[in-house]
Amino acid sequence: GAVVSQHPSWVICKSGTSVKIECRSLDFQATTMFWYRQFPKQSLMLMATSNEGSKATYEQGVEKDKFLINHASLTLSTLTVTSAHPEDSSFYICSARLRRGETQYFGPGTRLLVL
Amino acid sequence: AQSVAQPEDQVNVAEGNPLTVKCTYSVSGNPYLFWYVQYPNRGLQFLLKYITGDNLVKGSYGFEAEFNKSQTSFHLKKPSALVSDSALYFCAVRDTNAGKSTFGDGTTLTVKP
Repeated sequence: GAVVSQHPSWVICKSGTSVKIECRSLDFQATTMFWYRQFPKQSLMLMATSNEGSKATYEQGVEKDKFLINHASLTLSTLTVTSAHPEDSSFYICSARLRRGETQYFGPGTRLLVL
Repeated sequence: AQSVAQPEDQVNVAEGNPLTVKCTYSVSGNPYLFWYVQYPNRGLQFLLKYITGDNLVKGSYGFEAEFNKSQTSFHLKKPSALVSDSALYFCAVRDTNAGKSTFGDGTTLTVKP
């Protein structure tokens, strides 16, 4: 199957700093990438959908100025958590999809801990 | 609107026994249906999907799922469970006209030796 990577796999930061998470599709070109947040033992919460070359579409309740998403190329999307606070601590997962109807392939996730 | 329900938070089976993880869905058009598995502290791994064609879909690691349009279900099955199948399983649905998938709340499968 297709491979999606995320970097870093985990990060610890101080409150008030910004953290960037990268999501890469390694062997296919992803026209659409998704960013999810997952709390312990819970389902995935879609944060935003990004299409290459256009602005991300954020889900209701997700602050776009807080969670900056850039999908600059067909193989790379980044999520920047700006001015992180402890409540932003979570497991962030990206996924990538080639076309509508195609399978979403997920990255391994990034564990963020804000102190 | 689209939605998906996984009615069981937890499924427990003995190794070697058949397993079923249930999923029902609701879409306005034709559905794309997916099953994913998640191991602790990892992302989701794709297991199988139904787009069109045969109602019985075979996927990775011996799993299969049957699309039942009249019951709007897409239950995940495996004839003989392994301890290593223990994980969190997610069902997802996407309307053919929708850009994004909706995921169920997940079902924790525990297979005991």
